[in-house]
Amino acid sequence: DTEVTQTPKHLVMGMTNKKSLKCEQHMGHRAMYWYKQKAKKPPELMFVYSYEKLSINESVPSRFSPECPNSSLLNLHLHALQPEDSALYLCASSRRDSLLGTQYFGPGTRLLVL
Amino acid sequence: AQKVTQAQTEISVVEKEDVTLDCVYETRDTTYYLFWYKQPPSGELVFLIRRNSFDEQNEISGRYSWNFQKSTSSFNFTITASQVVDSAVYFCALMTTDSWGKLQFGAGTQVVVTP
Repeated sequence: DTEVTQTPKHLVMGMTNKKSLKCEQHMGHRAMYWYKQKAKKPPELMFVYSYEKLSINESVPSRFSPECPNSSLLNLHLHALQPEDSALYLCASSRRDSLLGTQYFGPGTRLLVL
Repeated sequence: AQKVTQAQTEISVVEKEDVTLDCVYETRDTTYYLFWYKQPPSGELVFLIRRNSFDEQNEISGRYSWNFQKSTSSFNFTITASQVVDSAVYFCALMTTDSWGKLQFGAGTQVVVTP
């Protein structure tokens, strides 16, 4: 079973809104990732959590705030976003503790910021 | 520095034709991992294969086959007898022991299979 779920599938928000993206996996993976993907571009890594601790932050603006409440759940809190933040947000998880494991992706959340 | 180059932006084929996607990588690390992912229009990135730098054995899985050649730093992917369902963007990606969790993706190749 390599299922990663993400909610919501689509999200439209204004620049003053606060919203959250949710990612869940029940594969016992201990590393979880957030990626951002603009149209016709490859995914770009935003954050990596390993054992519920933030391991990598790719210099992401503070209007994106990740949270890993437990080993199965990863949230991305959004606040005061800009229209250029509109993108597909992908979550992934991987099995191996060394972060060198294969990453399995969820279906993504398509975000539109107005 | 590490880099993945997918020179083909888009490939269009008629159903049942074979299609080969090129991937060239650059890294100074001696231990690294190569991946192929498929992204259909729905958006989900689907894992296809992982190859370790110390394992140059080529692989065939159904209609898919991969040719890994360290001498030319290439990891090419062939779809045999393509089908409409193969229409997607295919990404080649590289991970090294230095990058620890960071996948370096190529730009992707759009494959369009028409009936």
